[in-house]
Amino acid sequence: DAGVIQSPRHEVTEMGQEVTLRCKPISGHDYLFWYRQTMMRGLELLIYFNNNVPIDDSGMPEDRFSAKMPNASFSTLKIQPSEPRDSAVYFCASSLVEGEVGYTFGSGTRLTVV
Amino acid sequence: QKEVEQNSGPLSVPEGAIASLNCTYSDRGSQSFFWYRQYSGKSPELIMSIYSNGDKEDGRFTAQLNKASQYVSLLIRDSQPSDSATYLCAVFTGANSKLTFGKGITLSVRP
Repeated sequence: DAGVIQSPRHEVTEMGQEVTLRCKPISGHDYLFWYRQTMMRGLELLIYFNNNVPIDDSGMPEDRFSAKMPNASFSTLKIQPSEPRDSAVYFCASSLVEGEVGYTFGSGTRLTVV
Repeated sequence: QKEVEQNSGPLSVPEGAIASLNCTYSDRGSQSFFWYRQYSGKSPELIMSIYSNGDKEDGRFTAQLNKASQYVSLLIRDSQPSDSATYLCAVFTGANSKLTFGKGITLSVRP
């Protein structure tokens, strides 16, 4: 298996633009997680899905952030409009079981909003 | 109190020494405990999991769990320069179904 695949690896955008991050989980993994990592706050869970259904989005910072999982093999995280404080590394992770085993992370997307 | 706390570090040890990384957590209902290693510019990689009190050994790595003290640790024996990375402690609590990460501690193993 190719692991969790994220795209793009790097994204530089101007403030106010829409940004879409993409993730393909490991085949057969029922859980998909979006995390954000910054030096100040570490790894923060934004939202997670079980069988394509959003279960907990309490970590989504504000309405500018939205996430979808239209099918078992694809998820997006969208920021509209983007702001400089959104600059971070965004990781997608997937898991076969919720929490009882560790998660497998994708390579991440480094987002810079200027 | 933060849910998962790790000493901020950094931690520097000489090659061949034992590195001891510590983590405390606040939720007594926590069930599963993990250590991730993250090299600079890379994604977190799971290296150890532990679910019951005591020690769990895997090669040069030993995870220790003490639920009464709400404490998890990772020992790295015979540290190598390739062990230089940030180590993240993660705790899963079934009540809120979240895997919560500590901020991590950066380990530097000097040759």
